[in-house]
Formats: sequence, C-alpha cells, structure tokens
Amino acid sequence: DVQLLESGGGLVQPGESLRLSCAASGFTFSSHSMTWVRQAPGKGLEWVSTMSGSDDNTYYADSVQGRFTISRDNSKNTLYLQMNSLRAEDTAVYSCARGVKSAGIWYFDLWGRGTLVTVSS
Amino acid sequence: EIVLTQSPGTLSLSPGERATLSCRASQSVSSSYLAWYQQKPGQAPRLLIYAATSRATGIPDRFSGSGSGTDFTLTIGRLEPEDFAVYYCQQYGSSRGASFGPGTKVDIK
Repeated sequence: DVQLLESGGGLVQPGESLRLSCAASGFTFSSHSMTWVRQAPGKGLEWVSTMSGSDDNTYYADSVQGRFTISRDNSKNTLYLQMNSLRAEDTAVYSCARGVKSAGIWYFDLWGRGTLVTVSS
Repeated sequence: EIVLTQSPGTLSLSPGERATLSCRASQSVSSSYLAWYQQKPGQAPRLLIYAATSRATGIPDRFSGSGSGTDFTLTIGRLEPEDFAVYYCQQYGSSRGASFGPGTKVDIK
C-alpha cells in the first residue's frame, strides 16, 4: 500500500526536544519532496518544513526556523523532524505529506494521519 | 511570505446547492501554483485541485477550480452529503515557502 506513517509524538515540557519520524511505503521515496504540516487543536493547517528528494534543499516556516531541522534517509524511506526548544504554541498534530515532484515545494498528494505533539508543563 | 485569505469562514448550504469558496492571496501566486484540499473531522486532508484548475485523480467533476493572480475560486456544482467538510487553499512553488488559507467550513443548513 502507498502510505505514510508518522511516529514519535508525545508530551514534553517547554524547552525540551522531540524527534518525529515518517515512514513511507509503496512508492519511490527519493523521487518526491517531503513536507511536515501541523494542525493545532481545532485550528487550520500550517506548513512547517519541506525537504527536496533530489538535492537536499530545505525550507522552513519562520515560526520554526532555527529550532526545527528536517532530514531524510532515502535508504530507509524515512523523513524526520528534529524539534528543539519546543514551545506551547508548537502543540499540534504533525503530519507528513508527499510532494508531487522531487525538488522544491509543491502540492501534496499523499498525507499521513499525523502524530500529536503536546508541549506543556 | 504569501498570506492567503479565505471567505466565507462558514458556508451553510443544503444538499444539491452550489457552493462557491474564495481564496485571495496577498501577492500574485506565480504560475497559478494554488491547490485546494478537503478535510473531514479526524481525517487527513485530501487533494482536490492543483495548478488552480486541474482536478486531482479520482475527484468528481462537480469540483472545479478557477482563478489566477491573487483571486481563486473553488466551486462545488451540486453538494453531495459527503461534501460537507472544511476546505483549504494552499500556495506552493515559492522558494520562500508554502502557506495555507484559514479554511472555509461548508456545513449543512
């Protein structure tokens, strides 16, 4: 099956770190850019970060620039999001999404169900 | 950063009626790199439209997209019961990043 499966979410205190993973299956992972999108409880979608599949270019939203790092391991078909210095406003469901091309930021034709990150003391 | 505004915030309609959703960008969206998604409670978003006017695979033809520059529209020709959901527009293709609109909720009148 073609799917994305996120893991790694949980409850952390402000200032702590967390690493999310997104396991891809059923398609050629390296041929697609991959993106993290988050959705705070009851709120809309927020683009977080994108990594190209072919040239390792990365892009970040201003709200996470300098705190979050996106990476991928094409040999393991896995996307990561390292989140440092977490804040209460980072609380959200984090989903990974597949871009339709390998480079740049595109529209997303496949989404995971997401993993919940809660930042609270 | 391109900021997207969607209107109305909520659209209350009956099955069979026509829905017109608007998405306005703070600056021109290059090459009409605009997409529309549908999201139902507890589900992942579903791609409906890309490049402003192209329907994604498997999307019924009652969904159509139009517009260019800064003004875009998603039209649902005749609402089916399964179409009541939240709809988001998204701009992409910019090296400065992507962004989503705040969403329009289409609910049953």
